[in-house]
Amino acid sequence: GDSVTQMEGPVTLSEEAFLTINCTYTATGYPSLFWYVQYPGEGLQLLLKATKADDKGSNKGFEATYRKETTSFHLEKGSVQVSDSAVYFCALRAGRGGSNYKLTFGKGTLLTVNP
Amino acid sequence: NAGVMQNPRHLVRRRGQEARLRCSPMKGHSHVYWYRQLPEEGLKFMVYLQKENIIDESGMPKERFSAEFPKEGPSILRIQQVVRGDSAAYFCASSPTGTSTDTQYFGPGTRLTVL
Repeated sequence: GDSVTQMEGPVTLSEEAFLTINCTYTATGYPSLFWYVQYPGEGLQLLLKATKADDKGSNKGFEATYRKETTSFHLEKGSVQVSDSAVYFCALRAGRGGSNYKLTFGKGTLLTVNP
Repeated sequence: NAGVMQNPRHLVRRRGQEARLRCSPMKGHSHVYWYRQLPEEGLKFMVYLQKENIIDESGMPKERFSAEFPKEGPSILRIQQVVRGDSAAYFCASSPTGTSTDTQYFGPGTRLTVL
């Protein structure tokens, strides 16, 4: 079945440091890929997404590129801020057909950014 | 526009009691999804409902768990005779349609603790 593996945390960085959170996936067909963020006490919010190979999703300074050859969707940000402290989830949704409404999530990575 | 609402945010039950978790989707959304996050795990799909219909309950345990989304009122996830292994965070999401291009909007979750 489909699965998502993301780097284990916690990740602790200083403000303005470069961030990478690795995410790889296993899926049949051509899934859509997502990064969700969960701030303390809140629900998951969609951060960015990509629906086909070589697409780059971006939002709030975060980027991720859909790499089919390496089955990866790594999250990056050039300069993190304290307000980026949250849990980040990588997820996929199956392509056309079948149960393409189900999201499959990684375990989440806790990011703490210190001033 | 209010987001997805879940209540209660925290629920404590003793073994053998019943737990009722409520989810009010975003205004105009008629599709609801429930996910469960066990400790140290990613979110896992449980059930997908439209108004008055269960579309897919393949991720829900066969016994003790049930879900509904009535014509009026919130969606309810019901767990009968809870056991310690039911302790988890339960997240609800909603979307306006059930298509593969829909974004699922998540609530803040209900954290169930079974003593």
